[in-house]
Amino acid sequence: DVKVTQSSRYLVKRTGEKVFLECVQDMDHENMFWYRQDPGLGLRLIYFSYDVKMKEKGDIPEGYSVSREKKERFSLILESASTNQTSMYLCASRSYGKPEQYFGPGTRLTVT
Amino acid sequence: QKEVEQNSGPLSVPEGAIASLNCTYSDRGSQSFFWYRQYSGKSPELIMSIYSNGDKEDGRFTAQLNKASQYVSLLIRDSQPSDSATYLCAVTGTASKLTFGTGTRLQVTL
Repeated sequence: DVKVTQSSRYLVKRTGEKVFLECVQDMDHENMFWYRQDPGLGLRLIYFSYDVKMKEKGDIPEGYSVSREKKERFSLILESASTNQTSMYLCASRSYGKPEQYFGPGTRLTVT
Repeated sequence: QKEVEQNSGPLSVPEGAIASLNCTYSDRGSQSFFWYRQYSGKSPELIMSIYSNGDKEDGRFTAQLNKASQYVSLLIRDSQPSDSATYLCAVTGTASKLTFGTGTRLQVTL
């Protein structure tokens, strides 16, 4: 079974803080993704990575950056957290050439 | 027009009935189609994938695809209270990007 883990289930941060969300997958998947999910808006792609040290902007990259130094790990960074970044953050991975994506448990981030 | 559209529901069906969930998409070049189940407060779980026109069955679930009508559906037979969740339709377009609908909330009543 594919196993995708995320560093925290719940996180509370203050406005202006730098926030790191980490995702690890154990299936040697090349592709990894970060989404946020908000009521009424569905899942929106923030960033994705085709392979180590590679990254591509998704639909809503503003205010976020990412890092992929190792194949199994993909980090999402909020440089200066704002209240409008309060959301559920979901990491996903997939194998190259296969369209199915598998999700981690999610991190519910609250910025106060 | 949204790229992937679903009725938000809630869709309420009695236990044991067939639940029918529908999804339309706008990109005619779409290649792969998925249904994810998401329980409240949890992450999406892949339950069905379909790639060609017709029906695909897996246990109590049947996915149906009609590319000419740009329509994909999910049927859940013998619905159980444990099927109560939000069902997300997802479509891979020509750019291999996975686009999600906003989901249909299903309630299975006793």
